Amino acid sequence: QSVLTQPPSVSAAPGQKVTISCSGSSSNIGNNYVSWYQQLPGTAPKLLIYDNNKRPSGIPDRFSGSKSGTSATLGITGLQTGDEADYYCGTWDSSLSAHVVFGGGTKLTVL
Amino acid sequence: QLQLQESGPGLVKPSETLSLTCTVSGGSISSSSYYWGWIRQPPGKGLEWIGSIYYSGSTYYNPSLKSRVTISVDTSKNQFSLKLSSVTAADTAVYYCARQLISLDYWGQGTLVTVSS
Repeated sequence: QSVLTQPPSVSAAPGQKVTISCSGSSSNIGNNYVSWYQQLPGTAPKLLIYDNNKRPSGIPDRFSGSKSGTSATLGITGLQTGDEADYYCGTWDSSLSAHVVFGGGTKLTVL
Repeated sequence: QLQLQESGPGLVKPSETLSLTCTVSGGSISSSSYYWGWIRQPPGKGLEWIGSIYYSGSTYYNPSLKSRVTISVDTSKNQFSLKLSSVTAADTAVYYCARQLISLDYWGQGTLVTVSS
Protein backbone atom coordinates (compact mmCIF):
# COMPACT_ATOMS: atom_id res chain seq x y z
CA GLN A 1 0.00 0.00 0.00
CA SER A 2 1.38 3.37 -1.06
CA VAL A 3 1.26 6.33 1.32
CA LEU A 4 -0.06 8.55 -1.47
CA THR A 5 -3.21 7.44 -3.33
CA GLN A 6 -3.49 7.68 -7.10
CA PRO A 7 -6.06 6.14 -9.47
CA PRO A 8 -4.57 3.02 -11.10
CA SER A 9 -5.49 4.16 -14.58
CA VAL A 10 -6.95 7.01 -16.62
CA SER A 11 -7.67 7.29 -20.32
CA ALA A 12 -8.64 9.91 -22.85
CA ALA A 13 -8.57 10.53 -26.58
CA PRO A 14 -5.79 12.37 -28.41
CA GLY A 15 -6.15 16.12 -28.11
CA GLN A 16 -8.24 15.87 -24.97
CA LYS A 17 -7.37 16.80 -21.40
CA VAL A 18 -6.84 14.47 -18.46
CA THR A 19 -6.19 14.96 -14.76
CA ILE A 20 -4.51 12.60 -12.31
CA SER A 21 -5.14 12.98 -8.60
CA CYS A 22 -2.81 12.29 -5.71
CA SER A 23 -4.19 12.16 -2.19
CA GLY A 24 -2.15 12.24 0.99
CA SER A 25 -2.23 13.66 4.50
CA SER A 26 -0.98 16.53 6.61
CA SER A 27 2.31 14.72 7.25
CA ASN A 28 3.17 14.65 3.55
CA ILE A 29 1.30 16.62 0.87
CA GLY A 30 -0.29 18.95 3.39
CA ASN A 31 3.04 20.39 4.46
CA ASN A 32 5.46 19.68 1.62
CA TYR A 33 5.99 20.36 -2.06
CA VAL A 34 4.70 17.77 -4.52
CA SER A 35 6.58 16.45 -7.55
CA TRP A 36 5.29 14.49 -10.52
CA TYR A 37 7.26 11.97 -12.57
CA GLN A 38 6.60 10.45 -15.99
CA GLN A 39 7.85 6.94 -16.71
CA LEU A 40 7.67 5.88 -20.32
CA PRO A 41 7.74 2.11 -20.91
CA GLY A 42 11.14 0.60 -20.22
CA THR A 43 12.75 3.87 -19.14
CA ALA A 44 13.73 5.65 -15.94
CA PRO A 45 11.27 8.12 -14.38
CA LYS A 46 11.59 11.72 -15.51
CA LEU A 47 10.78 14.81 -13.44
CA LEU A 48 7.70 16.49 -14.89
CA ILE A 49 6.58 18.92 -12.17
CA TYR A 50 8.36 20.12 -9.03
CA ASP A 51 7.40 22.42 -6.16
CA ASN A 52 3.69 21.68 -6.83
CA ASN A 53 3.42 23.53 -10.12
CA LYS A 54 6.83 24.31 -11.66
CA ARG A 55 8.06 22.73 -14.88
CA PRO A 56 11.74 21.86 -15.45
CA SER A 57 13.34 23.23 -18.58
CA GLY A 58 12.13 21.33 -21.64
CA ILE A 59 8.79 20.21 -20.22
CA PRO A 60 5.97 21.60 -22.38
CA ASP A 61 3.28 23.76 -20.83
CA ARG A 62 0.72 21.07 -21.70
CA PHE A 63 1.72 19.64 -18.33
CA SER A 64 0.59 21.45 -15.18
CA GLY A 65 0.44 20.78 -11.47
CA SER A 66 -1.61 22.09 -8.58
CA LYS A 67 -2.04 21.42 -4.88
CA SER A 68 -4.85 22.05 -2.46
CA GLY A 69 -4.70 20.95 1.15
CA THR A 70 -3.66 17.31 1.25
CA SER A 71 -4.25 16.59 -2.45
CA ALA A 72 -2.42 17.35 -5.65
CA THR A 73 -3.38 17.12 -9.30
CA LEU A 74 -1.46 16.67 -12.52
CA GLY A 75 -3.11 18.02 -15.65
CA ILE A 76 -2.21 17.16 -19.22
CA THR A 77 -3.82 18.98 -22.14
CA GLY A 78 -3.61 18.30 -25.86
CA LEU A 79 -2.97 14.60 -25.24
CA GLN A 80 -0.57 12.85 -27.57
CA THR A 81 0.07 9.14 -28.06
CA GLY A 82 3.58 9.78 -26.78
CA ASP A 83 2.11 10.75 -23.40
CA GLU A 84 1.16 7.12 -22.72
CA ALA A 85 3.14 6.35 -19.60
CA ASP A 86 2.98 5.75 -15.87
CA TYR A 87 2.75 8.89 -13.76
CA TYR A 88 3.85 9.08 -10.12
CA CYS A 89 3.41 11.76 -7.50
CA GLY A 90 5.99 12.13 -4.77
CA THR A 91 6.71 14.25 -1.74
CA TRP A 92 8.44 14.26 1.62
CA ASP A 93 6.75 12.75 4.65
CA SER A 94 7.54 13.92 8.16
CA SER A 95 5.93 11.08 10.10
CA LEU A 96 8.45 8.89 11.94
CA SER A 97 11.63 10.23 10.33
CA ALA A 98 11.70 12.42 7.24
CA HIS A 99 11.54 10.36 4.08
CA VAL A 100 10.22 10.48 0.53
CA VAL A 101 6.95 8.78 -0.40
CA PHE A 102 5.40 8.04 -3.77
CA GLY A 103 1.94 7.31 -5.05
CA GLY A 104 1.25 3.89 -6.50
CA GLY A 105 1.33 5.27 -10.03
CA THR A 106 -1.31 5.94 -12.68
CA LYS A 107 -1.24 4.35 -16.11
CA LEU A 108 -2.32 6.86 -18.77
CA THR A 109 -3.80 5.39 -21.93
CA VAL A 110 -4.33 7.65 -24.93
CA LEU A 111 -7.10 5.96 -26.84
CA GLN B 1 24.82 17.64 -18.67
CA LEU B 2 24.70 15.72 -15.41
CA GLN B 3 24.68 11.95 -15.81
CA LEU B 4 24.32 9.16 -13.27
CA GLN B 5 25.20 5.52 -13.86
CA GLU B 6 24.46 2.59 -11.59
CA SER B 7 26.79 -0.39 -11.44
CA GLY B 8 27.00 -3.63 -9.50
CA PRO B 9 26.08 -7.32 -9.57
CA GLY B 10 22.84 -8.23 -11.30
CA LEU B 11 22.36 -11.35 -9.21
CA VAL B 12 22.54 -11.64 -5.43
CA LYS B 13 21.87 -14.71 -3.30
CA PRO B 14 19.22 -14.65 -0.56
CA SER B 15 20.52 -13.53 2.87
CA GLU B 16 23.54 -11.83 1.27
CA THR B 17 24.22 -8.10 0.86
CA LEU B 18 23.29 -6.18 -2.26
CA SER B 19 25.91 -3.57 -3.21
CA LEU B 20 25.53 -0.92 -5.88
CA THR B 21 27.50 2.18 -6.85
CA CYS B 22 26.33 5.29 -8.65
CA THR B 23 28.92 7.27 -10.59
CA VAL B 24 28.14 10.92 -11.22
CA SER B 25 29.59 12.69 -14.26
CA GLY B 26 29.12 16.18 -15.67
CA GLY B 27 28.96 17.70 -12.21
CA SER B 28 30.35 17.42 -8.69
CA ILE B 29 28.75 15.26 -6.05
CA SER B 30 29.95 17.89 -3.58
CA SER B 31 27.58 20.50 -5.00
CA SER B 32 25.90 22.34 -2.18
CA SER B 33 22.22 21.78 -1.50
CA TYR B 34 21.85 18.48 -3.33
CA TYR B 35 21.40 15.07 -1.82
CA TRP B 36 22.02 11.86 -3.79
CA GLY B 37 19.43 9.13 -3.56
CA TRP B 38 18.48 5.56 -4.29
CA ILE B 39 15.04 4.45 -5.48
CA ARG B 40 13.88 0.98 -6.49
CA GLN B 41 11.05 -0.47 -8.54
CA PRO B 42 10.06 -4.16 -8.31
CA PRO B 43 9.04 -5.64 -11.66
CA GLY B 44 5.59 -4.39 -12.64
CA LYS B 45 5.23 -2.31 -9.48
CA GLY B 46 5.65 1.28 -8.32
CA LEU B 47 8.54 3.35 -7.03
CA GLU B 48 10.00 2.99 -3.53
CA TRP B 49 12.47 5.52 -2.15
CA ILE B 50 15.33 3.87 -0.28
CA GLY B 51 17.33 6.81 1.06
CA SER B 52 19.68 9.65 0.24
CA ILE B 53 23.01 11.13 1.30
CA TYR B 54 24.68 14.56 1.32
CA TYR B 55 28.34 14.87 0.34
CA SER B 56 29.16 15.47 4.01
CA GLY B 57 27.72 12.07 4.88
CA SER B 58 24.38 13.16 6.32
CA THR B 59 21.69 10.62 5.44
CA TYR B 60 17.95 10.07 5.28
CA TYR B 61 16.55 6.54 5.10
CA ASN B 62 13.16 4.98 4.43
CA PRO B 63 11.97 3.84 7.88
CA SER B 64 10.78 0.53 6.42
CA LEU B 65 14.28 -0.31 5.15
CA LYS B 66 16.47 1.57 7.60
CA SER B 67 17.62 -1.47 9.57
CA ARG B 68 19.10 -3.05 6.42
CA VAL B 69 20.35 -0.02 4.44
CA THR B 70 23.64 1.84 4.38
CA ILE B 71 24.33 4.64 1.92
CA SER B 72 27.83 6.07 1.70
CA VAL B 73 29.63 8.65 -0.43
CA ASP B 74 33.11 8.89 -1.93
CA THR B 75 33.67 12.46 -3.05
CA SER B 76 37.13 11.68 -4.45
CA LYS B 77 35.56 9.32 -6.97
CA ASN B 78 32.33 11.34 -7.41
CA GLN B 79 30.39 8.25 -6.39
CA PHE B 80 27.85 7.16 -3.82
CA SER B 81 26.92 3.63 -2.87
CA LEU B 82 24.09 1.49 -1.54
CA LYS B 83 24.33 -1.59 0.64
CA LEU B 84 21.19 -3.58 1.45
CA SER B 85 21.71 -6.51 3.79
CA SER B 86 19.85 -9.78 4.32
CA VAL B 87 18.14 -9.64 0.95
CA THR B 88 15.18 -11.78 -0.04
CA ALA B 89 13.27 -12.26 -3.28
CA ALA B 90 11.18 -9.23 -2.32
CA ASP B 91 14.26 -7.07 -2.90
CA THR B 92 14.35 -8.00 -6.59
CA ALA B 93 13.92 -4.71 -8.42
CA VAL B 94 15.34 -2.16 -10.79
CA TYR B 95 17.49 0.12 -8.66
CA TYR B 96 17.86 3.76 -9.68
CA CYS B 97 20.17 6.45 -8.39
CA ALA B 98 19.15 10.09 -8.64
CA ARG B 99 20.05 13.63 -7.64
CA GLN B 100 17.70 14.94 -5.00
CA LEU B 101 16.78 18.35 -3.75
CA ILE B 102 13.11 18.37 -2.83
CA SER B 103 12.40 16.46 -6.03
CA LEU B 104 14.49 13.91 -7.92
CA ASP B 105 15.63 15.76 -10.99
CA TYR B 106 18.32 13.62 -12.60
CA TRP B 107 18.04 9.83 -12.72
CA GLY B 108 20.30 7.02 -13.79
CA GLN B 109 19.03 4.48 -16.29
CA GLY B 110 18.55 1.87 -13.57
CA THR B 111 19.99 -1.58 -13.02
CA LEU B 112 18.05 -4.79 -12.43
CA VAL B 113 19.08 -6.75 -9.37
CA THR B 114 17.63 -10.23 -8.98
CA VAL B 115 17.75 -12.05 -5.67
CA SER B 116 17.91 -15.77 -6.31
CA SER B 117 19.98 -18.79 -5.34
